[in-house]
Formats: sequence, structure tokens, C-alpha cells
Amino acid sequence: GAGVSQSPSNKVTEKGKDVELRCDPISGHTALYWYRQSLGQGLEFLIYFQGNSAPDKSGLPSDRFSAERTGGSVSTLTIQRTQQEDSAVYLCASSFGLLSGANVLTFGAGSRLTVL
Amino acid sequence: AQSVTQLGSHVSVSEGALVLLRCNYSSSVPPYLFWYVQYPNQGLQLLLKYTTGATLVKGINGFEAEFKKSETSFHLTKPSAHMSDAAEYFCAVSNTNAGKSTFGDGTTLTVKP
Repeated sequence: GAGVSQSPSNKVTEKGKDVELRCDPISGHTALYWYRQSLGQGLEFLIYFQGNSAPDKSGLPSDRFSAERTGGSVSTLTIQRTQQEDSAVYLCASSFGLLSGANVLTFGAGSRLTVL
Repeated sequence: AQSVTQLGSHVSVSEGALVLLRCNYSSSVPPYLFWYVQYPNQGLQLLLKYTTGATLVKGINGFEAEFKKSETSFHLTKPSAHMSDAAEYFCAVSNTNAGKSTFGDGTTLTVKP
């Protein structure tokens, strides 16, 4: 597509429920990133996929968080047993990665998660 | 390891005044440096980037930034602020051609009439 698409744009869930957030990157982009933006905070790195390489999961805050990228394209971020502190905007970004001269990220509009 | 520090979480200027948003970075290897902007209710978009070569880089909407290795800084400036510049600005560093970009905490710019 023309841009990075994320769904849902808004998600309200109850504490303890599982949620899935989806990201559809720009066609041809080999790198995909998930960041979290909490109110008044910067962008917290969560996970990074580059082609067929093993993902960099160093930013995932706990084992309740996981992500996968199927077929080198669409990615799903899953949060199990959600907690109130998980409330944030989850941003997905993609880039040409190793194919580019610099690591310029194109961001989606984000998925706003509210855990009650 | 890499990190970014943005000095001042909020900056307020009058319309027509100079805009200066500060960013300092740390990186164990030569960095790539970026400024991204997030307008209200919009996604982040690239404002400008430094990779190699000329240390003064120009971006969209009249913004520019200068890479100063000796000061490990990449401050963002604009000579004359416009009301439409009100947004949140993020500085980011990446020290490989791919791999994660580390972002600062952001600076919210307010422009007063």
C-alpha cells in the first residue's frame, strides 16, 4: 500500500484480556519495527524485524509481549493478559533497511490501546 | 550502545522567532541522525536526516540541523517560527545502516501568536 497501515486504530480492553495489533508495512520494505508511545513519553523500542533474520526482541518489556511477521510482510503484536500499564499508542514503522542509504522509518498512525 | 537526550520537553516561542530544539546523542560508532515531527493527531514523519558528508542538513518546512561531532549534538533550528510548526519533535540515532533507531523523549513546540 501507499503507507504503513495499522489496525485497530483504537482498542479498549479489560485487564487480563489478550489483544492483537496488526501492521501492514509498505510494500518492498524489508525492515519492520514496533515502538510504544506512552503519554508524555518518548518512543520506546519494542522489536525489530529485518528480512529473514532473527528479530531483535531486546525491547519487549515482558514475556506477555510477542510479535511475529508472516511472509516478510504483515506483522502482529500480541499482548497477553493485558495490564493497565500497557495502555499506550503502539506504533509500527517500516523501512528499506539494508537496501537503503539510511534507516529512514515510515510510521503508521498507531493503535491506541486502553486497558481498563 | 546508543542514546539520545532532548533538552527541554516543552519549548514555547512567538510566531516569527527563532526555533531551537536541542538534541545530544551518544553512539559508539559514527551515527546516522534524524529529526521526526508529529503534528497533532498525525503520525510521525521524517523532517531531516544526517548520514555522511555535509554537516548542515536541510529539511522540510524551513528546518535545518547541524551535526557537530565534537559536541555530539544535532540541534534543530528554524529562523522564523510559524503557527503551523506547533508539534512534537523527536530526535533519533541509528548507528548502522539498519537496525533499531533510538528516539529521544520528544520536545513539544508551542508557537504563540
